[in-house]
Amino acid sequence: EAGVAQSPRYKIIEKRQSVAFWCNPISGHATLYWYQQILGQGPKLLIQFQNNGVVDDSQLPKDRFSAERLKGVDSTLKIQPAKLEDSAVYLCASSLEVGPAVGYTFGSGTRLTVV
Amino acid sequence: TQLLEQSPQFLSIQEGENLTVYCNSSSVFSSLQWYRQEPGEGPVLLVTVVTGGEVKKLKRLTFQFGDARKDSSLHITAAQPGDTGLYLCALYGGSQGNLIFGKGTKLSVKP
Repeated sequence: EAGVAQSPRYKIIEKRQSVAFWCNPISGHATLYWYQQILGQGPKLLIQFQNNGVVDDSQLPKDRFSAERLKGVDSTLKIQPAKLEDSAVYLCASSLEVGPAVGYTFGSGTRLTVV
Repeated sequence: TQLLEQSPQFLSIQEGENLTVYCNSSSVFSSLQWYRQEPGEGPVLLVTVVTGGEVKKLKRLTFQFGDARKDSSLHITAAQPGDTGLYLCALYGGSQGNLIFGKGTKLSVKP
């Protein structure tokens, strides 16, 4: 079974520039998540999709972050304009369903450095 | 909002030693998951515990869920360099049901 694919692996941009990350979840996984992991911290949920609908975006900084999953498969996360504090690893995960005992499969992440 | 505290934050040991890391909350968990994250990779699920008092074993790793379902521990016997990584616990919560992670314990096992 192919894993969760993310690209690019690394990105360096200047502050106030824009950037986009791409994620392709495991085939058949209806639920997709974007997490932000700042150095020395655990992952923090940004947005959760169920198929192509947003389930939870309560922690997404909507003035600069946006995400979409138009066909219910792959997803794009965008930051515009980027700030220094956005430097982090952006992790995409997917799961077959939602529930207390459901584990997530994570991609390898995109490491963003904002200078 | 439930918060997870993990301890210790850092742990550096020699190969062959035993260790225990902890995950605690002031609230009751419905379930708890443990993940290991290696440098440059995403977290990988190790185990899910759902029943108070539950003990699960995965080779040299032993996971325990507290009777009151407010704490959990991970014990590693005879640690190996391959055990090096960030150990994260996560509880199921959030406004729509998703995983909330602790800050993790960064383990380094030296040969």
